[in-house]
Amino acid sequence: DVKVTQSSRYLVKRTGEKVFLECVQDMDHENMFWYRQDPGLGLRLIYFSYDVKMKEKGDIPEGYSVSREKKERFSLILESASTNQTSMYLCASSPSMNTEAFFGQGTRLTVV
Amino acid sequence: AQTVTQSQPEMSVQEAETVTLSCTYDTSESDYYLFWYKQPPSRQMILVIRQEAYKQQNATENRFSVNFQKAAKSFSLKISDSQLGDAAMYFCANYKLTFGKGTLLTVNP
Repeated sequence: DVKVTQSSRYLVKRTGEKVFLECVQDMDHENMFWYRQDPGLGLRLIYFSYDVKMKEKGDIPEGYSVSREKKERFSLILESASTNQTSMYLCASSPSMNTEAFFGQGTRLTVV
Repeated sequence: AQTVTQSQPEMSVQEAETVTLSCTYDTSESDYYLFWYKQPPSRQMILVIRQEAYKQQNATENRFSVNFQKAAKSFSLKISDSQLGDAAMYFCANYKLTFGKGTLLTVNP
């Protein structure tokens, strides 16, 4: 079974902190994604990566950056956390374009 | 940007009855995949069913089936013989993994 693991289920950070959300997949998938999920807004794509060191902005990249140094790991970085980044963050991976995604458990981030 | 629209924020169904969740999408591609995902309260998102656009036949997975209308760009999910465990958020997604806003399904005993 494909496993996508997010480093934390719950995280509380202070405004202005630099925050790292880590995601690891064990199926050698090419594509990895970071989404943000908010009530009434569904899943919104922050960034995705189709190869090591490659990244593309999604629909809401402002305030975020990403890093993909190894194929299995995709990190989401909040350079200076703000309260409006309090949300559920979901990581996903897929073997290629036009294929289903496999999701991690999600990280609920609270910025205070 | 390619959009995916779910027009029903919430739906409810009686146990053992049938319910249909709606989804429309926007694309200029001729060959693509579409997906329905389920997110139960435990929040682990899982794939329910997948449809390939070039296939005429609607996809079916046990009690779950789709009504795919390519010309209308419509991709609805039908759940037959609803069970309490079907209660969840359901998301429609296109081949670029753009998601709709979701439909919260409640199953009443």
